[in-house]
Amino acid sequence: EADIYQTPRYLVIGTGKKITLECSQTMGHDKMYWYQQDPGMELHLIHYSYGVNSTEKGDLSSESTVSRIRTEHFPLTLESARPSHTSQYLCASSERQGAGGELFFGEGSRLTVL
Amino acid sequence: AQSVTQPDIHITVSEGASLELRCNYSYGATPYLFWYVQSPGQGLQLLLKYFSGDTLVQGIKGFEAEFKRSQSSFNLRKPSVHWSDAAEYFCAVGALNNNDMRFGAGTRLTVKP
Repeated sequence: EADIYQTPRYLVIGTGKKITLECSQTMGHDKMYWYQQDPGMELHLIHYSYGVNSTEKGDLSSESTVSRIRTEHFPLTLESARPSHTSQYLCASSERQGAGGELFFGEGSRLTVL
Repeated sequence: AQSVTQPDIHITVSEGASLELRCNYSYGATPYLFWYVQSPGQGLQLLLKYFSGDTLVQGIKGFEAEFKRSQSSFNLRKPSVHWSDAAEYFCAVGALNNNDMRFGAGTRLTVKP
């Protein structure tokens, strides 16, 4: 069973609020990712990290930011949430460089912005 | 860049019937191929993966998939579906030295009693 945890699982907030979605893994994986998932759509990579102090933007433009100060922790922050940010956010990690490694996913954080 | 198409948005099968979920990919070189399953309210879990070698790969929960290079396909199969298999299934393609894994839009499986 994967040891990757996301909090909160569900969040409903008002427009303009700042939110941080937490993601932690206990597997010692160097690579971590944030995906955005909407019904009927493919998962879109919004951020990834190779390791501590490394962050990159994915293929989907996002107004969110991430940080990687510790190997096990990869939080995602929205400075000013808008209704268009309503979505499910999935955190994942993998052991190997490149796409050869299996992705381990958290259970997701479902965000609703009113 | 690679891409994935899952032609079926929703499939309904009877419990005990066989199942095949389709996946077509686009990539110029040898792909790494994956099938993930997502139960309601859960994250994605790896069912199986193909990197090289035998084109028929076995996964967890009785699933298997066959890589067909000539058809650019990696279809998922199960001979006898159980009610607990009801979930969303995602096909994904990656590539060596490429940090980007592309997912399909998913196929939702409903299992009738």
